[in-house]
Amino acid sequence: AQSVTQLDSHVSVSEGTPVLLRCNYSSSYSPSLFWYVQHPNKGLQLLLKYTSAATLVKGINGFEAEFKKSETSFHLTKPSAHMSDAAEYFCVVSVNTGTASKLTFGTGTRLQVTL
Amino acid sequence: GAVVSQHPSRVICKSGTSVKIECRSLDFQATTMFWYRQFPKQSLMLMATSNEGSKATYEQGVEKDKFLINHASLTLSTLTVTSAHPEDSSFYICSASRGTTGYFGPGTRLTVL
Repeated sequence: AQSVTQLDSHVSVSEGTPVLLRCNYSSSYSPSLFWYVQHPNKGLQLLLKYTSAATLVKGINGFEAEFKKSETSFHLTKPSAHMSDAAEYFCVVSVNTGTASKLTFGTGTRLQVTL
Repeated sequence: GAVVSQHPSRVICKSGTSVKIECRSLDFQATTMFWYRQFPKQSLMLMATSNEGSKATYEQGVEKDKFLINHASLTLSTLTVTSAHPEDSSFYICSASRGTTGYFGPGTRLTVL
């Protein structure tokens, strides 16, 4: 079985300051891990993914995440927040069921960006 | 990247009616699609796994007679909310996997009056 824990339900940062959204995972197998972003009343957009290649993964809009097996973590970071980054962020672990990948979602972190 | 569409994006219906939501993978084939439900300010809850050419697999607590799923082709899955009631009002999102990555539709906002 796999699970995901997002350690913060809400994070507030000032525009131009770094962003850190924390995620820990549990998986019986080598996991695939993802970060998705959801803006209000919108679907989910893939930010980045880790699938057992490089442990530091770069995504869209300046986001990146580092897979740390020893810490079972996959934290999302960005050097400088923009107002447009305000949204809900989901950390997701994937397990291959044979015919498709079943996704398990974290509870989400709401990122607020202030002036 | 892979594109998944949903239709309609928003629907309002009267209590007791049925509503059909379509999910299409536009540029790839998906033997399996997933249907999620999202309540306000909450995470996504997996409702069911839609399998092309066979019956859907429902998560515990999800009524299969209430939420009918049909995966008619490799690019289309439909979710029908039968005899909808106000408590069925929610945001419904589908996804299709290509490899290990899930791609999501834009969601359908259902409001039952």
